[in-house]
Amino acid sequence: DSGVTQTPKHLITATGQRVTLRCSPRSGDLSVYWYQQSLDQGLQFLIQYYNGEERAKGNILERFSAQQFPDLHSELNLSSLELGDSALYFCASSVDGTGNSPLHFGNGTRLTVT
Amino acid sequence: DQQVKQNSPSLSVQEGRISILNCDYTNSMFDYFLWYKKYPAEGPTFLISISSIKDKNEDGRFTVFLNKSAKHLSLHIVPSQPGDSAVYFCAATSQGGGSQGNLIFGKGTKLSVKP
Repeated sequence: DSGVTQTPKHLITATGQRVTLRCSPRSGDLSVYWYQQSLDQGLQFLIQYYNGEERAKGNILERFSAQQFPDLHSELNLSSLELGDSALYFCASSVDGTGNSPLHFGNGTRLTVT
Repeated sequence: DQQVKQNSPSLSVQEGRISILNCDYTNSMFDYFLWYKKYPAEGPTFLISISSIKDKNEDGRFTVFLNKSAKHLSLHIVPSQPGDSAVYFCAATSQGGGSQGNLIFGKGTKLSVKP
């Protein structure tokens, strides 16, 4: 158990809809990362937050947004969903955001857009 | 443009033998490399890492080798056990640069260890 909690585990929705994925980091971790894993692809970095502030942005679409709240949990919002957004979305946390400490991943949210 | 490449999608080895998983990278700014292991229906878990100031790091049955001039790293598992069967991801980052610690992952290699 990594200590990172992601909800929901599965999500099925229709094109054009909006969903929110939630992540609770490990106790004591200040940095949260979001990754997307599409079929037969590696994990693609989306965005990183550190102590409530955006730290780095990767290949995140404009239709996607995220935030980290004062209690350090994070939400990833996906809107105007398309079929191609179907993927596994992983949240990870680390003690700091420097890369010196390994990331601890949750078990992911599997999003299916129909 | 893939900055981290794992060219072997799968690898099958016999229990007790050595497993060698390979990874190549293109970005010379990368200075910290990690291997993650992933079982089905679970998130990746950290396995071992290596800084660019070293060329080898060992942790029990797992050893990572880094060849900076070739921009190549490899993970050796000796001896391989059936429980090692999983997808292995290579990842890289630039600790001091603009990536701010986010990891760039390869597509993974699925290792099967047969009893």
